Amino acid sequence: GENVEQHPSTLSVQEGDSAVIKCTYSDSASNYFPWYKQELGKGPQLIIDIRSNVGEKKDQRIAVTLNKTAKHFSLHITETQPEDSAVYFCAASTGNNNDMRFGAGTRLTVKP
Amino acid sequence: EAGVTQSPTHLIKTRGQQATLRCSPISGHTSVYWYQQALGLGLQFLLWYDEGEERNRGNFPPRFSGRQFPNYSSELNVNALELEDSALYLCASSFTGGQPQHFGDGTRLSIL
Repeated sequence: GENVEQHPSTLSVQEGDSAVIKCTYSDSASNYFPWYKQELGKGPQLIIDIRSNVGEKKDQRIAVTLNKTAKHFSLHITETQPEDSAVYFCAASTGNNNDMRFGAGTRLTVKP
Repeated sequence: EAGVTQSPTHLIKTRGQQATLRCSPISGHTSVYWYQQALGLGLQFLLWYDEGEERNRGNFPPRFSGRQFPNYSSELNVNALELEDSALYLCASSFTGGQPQHFGDGTRLSIL
């Protein structure tokens, strides 16, 4: 089955800097890759997603890149703000049976 | 538009008891997913229901079960509770078998 690895497990940046979180997946049939942000006491909130027919997608300060050949995808947050502090999860799904597999999460801290 | 709602917010049980968790999907969504998020760990896929039927199941014992009602709401039942069942249980919903999945804020189940 699918296995998703996420790095780093913790990331601390200064406000205004960029943050990058990387994930790798094992199942070449995976074709859908969402990123979720989870704040304390809340459920995961979808922030951006990408499908396998696209190499990059951007939404304001957030971008995701996908390299299908290498089986990795990354989340890029530019001009970080303290409110970006949260745990971020990547996930991968084949679209069949919807058994979406999640990475272990990255705790991002943005220092003011 | 109301998001995914889960109840109760917290649930405290003792070993051997049974727990019932409830989820109401976003209006128009027919698929409901259940995930377990143990402390410090990522999300583990439990169950997927669509149109009242179980479509897929993660690697969990049979004492984890559920159902989906005609109005697409869902229940997760956990029998013979064990200490290691203590976790945040998250429900997500989507259009039929599709992506993305949108999450509720979860039920925190504590086993004493």
